[in-house]
Amino acid sequence: QQQVKQSPQSLIVQKGGISIINCAYENTAFDYFPWYQQFPGKGPALLIAIRPDVSEKKEGRFTISFNKSAKQFSLHIMDSQPGDSATYFCAASPYSGGGADGLTFGKGTHLIIQP
Amino acid sequence: DTEVTQTPKHLVMGMTNKKSLKCEQHMGHRAMYWYKQKAKKPPELMFVYSYEKLSINESVPSRFSPECPNSSLLNLHLHALQPEDSALYLCASSYRATGYEQYFGPGTRLTVT
Repeated sequence: QQQVKQSPQSLIVQKGGISIINCAYENTAFDYFPWYQQFPGKGPALLIAIRPDVSEKKEGRFTISFNKSAKQFSLHIMDSQPGDSATYFCAASPYSGGGADGLTFGKGTHLIIQP
Repeated sequence: DTEVTQTPKHLVMGMTNKKSLKCEQHMGHRAMYWYKQKAKKPPELMFVYSYEKLSINESVPSRFSPECPNSSLLNLHLHALQPEDSALYLCASSYRATGYEQYFGPGTRLTVT
């Protein structure tokens, strides 16, 4: 059972455009939603994350939009640049009442920014 | 500084070998994690250590044996692996023992021959 569904699987955007990646979850216990960027041969890098108490969070060119009722969240990359070309993973984690829990990842989106 | 280091970077081992992967962080993080990532797939959780105690084992085969000698160090001992265990093994850590804000290392690329 895939708990976090991510789309699209691949995305091509022109330089300067807006890249949008969507995720949906089913487990209502999830309450932390990060996005990771991964380049080939590297570990995932934490980009930005959101908790359900806010509907939007912006950090530089990256924005997370969160819709709690629809159980959906998305990543927007404004003014996309060729250096943004990478694989992006959404993820989710439940609140564990003080104990650490792992992340459940979406399947990933391979983003290509064309110059 | 959010650096997690992993050694070795690459490892090739036979199915009868015993080897270990090492992960280190000096950020005072209280939780550490092992993930496995196959090519073109997302990371999959294997183990979670919280305050140096194993808190989650995601039904990982016993040929993988984790160890947390202290709050900065995490090892993964490997024995009698199978070719299908070839993957990128990622270590992560988080300051709070909640699973939030996990920072990943660069990974160890493991090939089992």
